[in-house]
Amino acid sequence: GENVEQHPSTLSVQEGDSAVIKCTYSDSASNYFPWYKQELGKRPQLIIDIRSNVGEKKDQRIAVTLNKTAKHFSLHITETQPEDSAVYFCAANSYSSASKIIFGSGTRLSIRP
Amino acid sequence: GAGVSQSPSNKVTEKGKDVELRCDPISGHTALYWYRQSLGQGLEFLIYFQGNSAPDKSGLPSDRFSAERTGGSVSTLTIQRTQQEDSAVYLCASSFNPLSSYEQYFGPGTRLTVT
Repeated sequence: GENVEQHPSTLSVQEGDSAVIKCTYSDSASNYFPWYKQELGKRPQLIIDIRSNVGEKKDQRIAVTLNKTAKHFSLHITETQPEDSAVYFCAANSYSSASKIIFGSGTRLSIRP
Repeated sequence: GAGVSQSPSNKVTEKGKDVELRCDPISGHTALYWYRQSLGQGLEFLIYFQGNSAPDKSGLPSDRFSAERTGGSVSTLTIQRTQQEDSAVYLCASSFNPLSSYEQYFGPGTRLTVT
């Protein structure tokens, strides 16, 4: 079936440095790619998303890039802060089976003070 | 406005008992998803509803798991003859657009512990 692969599974960066999380997807028809952040003990929340008609989207310190040819997309967090520590999930919609969102396995990001 | 709500927030049950988990999606959201999240793990897809129908049940772990949705709104996830490996947080999410290309809003989850 269709899937979304995410890496790394864990990432530790110094406060103020940048963090990059990468995902690949298999369904060439996918056209919506959201990123969710899940803080410890809380529910996942959407932080940014991108659609296939654009290659990059920014929102303050967060940016996503999309390469449809290679079927991969990335989350970039600049000037990391302690509150960025969380688990991040990428996702892609898939039309091959009943049209649903497929999540990656998650990246646990830790920001070192 | 009101978000996605789930009940109960916590459930402790004995092995072999049946449990029923409830999800109230955001009003007007046609898509509803159930996920399972074990401690420190990712989001395991269970089942997806579009209106009252379930186009994709592929994630249900076994025939002990079932779900239904009535009136295009409330959904219940039932686990029969619970096992210890069923212990996890069960998350529900709803989305406005049936083409799965809009934000999913998650509920707070039900933490299930099977003793």
